[in-house]
Amino acid sequence: QKEVEQNSGPLSVPEGAIASLNCTYSDRGSQSFFWYRQYSGKSPELIMFIYSNGDKEDGRFTAQLNKASQYVSLLIRDSQPSDSATYLCAAYYGNNRLAFGKGNQVVVIP
Amino acid sequence: GAGVSQSPSNKVTEKGKDVELRCDPISGHTALYWYRQSLGQGLEFLIYFQGNSAPDKSGLPSDRFSAERTGGSVSTLTIQRTQQEDSAVYLCASSLGRRGTNTEAFFGQGTRLTVV
Repeated sequence: QKEVEQNSGPLSVPEGAIASLNCTYSDRGSQSFFWYRQYSGKSPELIMFIYSNGDKEDGRFTAQLNKASQYVSLLIRDSQPSDSATYLCAAYYGNNRLAFGKGNQVVVIP
Repeated sequence: GAGVSQSPSNKVTEKGKDVELRCDPISGHTALYWYRQSLGQGLEFLIYFQGNSAPDKSGLPSDRFSAERTGGSVSTLTIQRTQQEDSAVYLCASSLGRRGTNTEAFFGQGTRLTVV
């Protein structure tokens, strides 16, 4: 089982809609979870982090963590064309290795 | 510095040559990570440093790859006898390095390596 999995294919959403991304992780000991946004040709930039079960909101972004089910999700409300990017989920493992999922591409259609 | 700095930003090298990539992490960050990203792919973990030691080297793809970090700061990733499959963007990230909270990692702009 991969350490961090993001299985969905590209996600197309109309402008103003909610984009929903999911991520699962295999290490129950993981404590810290992150969502990064990566524009084409650019480096990943941190947009959200979450450590506790439940929801964390920051502007149009909401991260949700469920440790019992070992998943993390990201909701983007009122999606804008500028949100079109690849979103990477990450978690810390074992000896502080920071592992990333393969990412989900989001395309917001004006 | 204000952010993670990587140099060079672009490197074109001939197959068989050695290359050295540099990463200067955010001041005070004890953890440093190297990743590789091929075109259209996710982030491939290479190596992680905590201070000057590398607890996890398991991601290095072959013995042609090595990395070191001195003074708990700057790190260099060396690729010997480069091959065309080494062409990728090499990303460095740093974090405060403690498990639990405050472990957000921040990325440099990467070094785009092209082996011809």
